[in-house]
Amino acid sequence: NAGVTQTPKFQVLKTGQSMTLQCAQDMNHEYMSWYRQDPGMGLRLIHYSVGAGITDQGEVPNGYNVSRSTTEDFPLRLLSAAPSQTSVYFCASSYSRPTGGNEQFFGPGTRLTVL
Amino acid sequence: AQSVSQHNHHVILSEAASLELGCNYSYGGTVNLFWYVQYPGQHLQLLLKYFSGDPLVKGIKGFEAEFIKSKFSFNLRKPSVQWSDTAEYFCAVNAAGTYKYIFGTGTRLKVLA
Repeated sequence: NAGVTQTPKFQVLKTGQSMTLQCAQDMNHEYMSWYRQDPGMGLRLIHYSVGAGITDQGEVPNGYNVSRSTTEDFPLRLLSAAPSQTSVYFCASSYSRPTGGNEQFFGPGTRLTVL
Repeated sequence: AQSVSQHNHHVILSEAASLELGCNYSYGGTVNLFWYVQYPGQHLQLLLKYFSGDPLVKGIKGFEAEFIKSKFSFNLRKPSVQWSDTAEYFCAVNAAGTYKYIFGTGTRLKVLA
């Protein structure tokens, strides 16, 4: 199993550009989520999905879109990048809802810089 | 709203010293509790978790944590740290029945050889 994979590892964008961060998992996990990690702020949930076709907003969803057309993939789209979106982005997945002690498995992260 | 507080932002210890990292949360209902570790340049890994049963849980690499419901706390402990424990540690809370994790702001631990 590759686990949770993310591409790209690094990305530099100019303000106003758009891009998609890719996330895939091969563990047949129902639940997938996107976080951003900023210094002194820990990880904050952007969007999550509880299955194909079902997504919902997290704590900081503004400026980001997601979709879940398959169980395996959960891309995060930045429609018009802003410097405030400079961050490290982590994708995570778990077998089912995080209740019952199901841990989340994290990808290696994407470091995004917006100039 | 749920929140998680990690009061120690930076901790520096010498090898063999004992470690205790604080984690407090605000939520009145049933919770699932987690500690994750992020080694330099690596992604987050689960250290240990609590969702029911014995409030003292043991994790990997000699770590343990105790859930004290009356204090809304889930402190992480290790009797004797090693240089290889240098990392950032995150406490996370999930309200039972919901899909959302709330992470604390993290504690950076540096262990001096």
